[in-house]
Amino acid sequence: EAGVTQSPTHLIKTRGQQVTLRCSPISGHTSVYWYQQALGLGLQFLLWYDEGEERNRGNFPPRFSGRQFPNYSSELNVNALELEDSALYLCASSLEVGEDTQYFGPGTRLTVL
Amino acid sequence: KQEVTQIPAALSVPEGENLVLNCSFTDSAIYNLQWFRQDPGKGLTSLLLIQSSQREQTSGRLNASLDKSSGRSTLYIAASQPGDSATYLCAVAYGVGNQFYFGTGTSLTVIP
Repeated sequence: EAGVTQSPTHLIKTRGQQVTLRCSPISGHTSVYWYQQALGLGLQFLLWYDEGEERNRGNFPPRFSGRQFPNYSSELNVNALELEDSALYLCASSLEVGEDTQYFGPGTRLTVL
Repeated sequence: KQEVTQIPAALSVPEGENLVLNCSFTDSAIYNLQWFRQDPGKGLTSLLLIQSSQREQTSGRLNASLDKSSGRSTLYIAASQPGDSATYLCAVAYGVGNQFYFGTGTSLTVIP
């Protein structure tokens, strides 16, 4: 069974640009979570989607947004990139709301110059 | 604000030693707690999940305990091996389907 996949693996952007990161959950999983892991900081929760709806949002500005598609894959969009957005962005999926174990993808490394 | 702290930040041990990693959390009304392993530049691998009603979970050489009243969890690794070298993260959830609050991790190096 394929795990959570993310694309691209690496990305380099400049300040002010926009970026889209993609995540495909494990087959049958309906919940998708996005986390940011900046250098020297712990993992910070960004967004949680379930059944196409945004269920919860972390303490991030509105330029961080996303969506979940009918096939449960998800996109994370970041507008007006800033240097401090450089981080590893991790996506996780779980079987359904109430399924506690989250399975993580390998992440997308974003560098903002 | 929920805070999760892990001590020590880094640990280096010779192969074969038993070791304990610590995790503490400020809000004891947790739903569950999970230990993860992260290899450099990689995603997370789930090791053990402890529900709030449980006191411990075991998987192979790993044993995780939970003491909600004191706001603490420990991860015990028996007979450490070089392949155990990684960063270990503790994460706490406060409700069904809720996101995890992560500690900053303990970087473990097991010396052959």
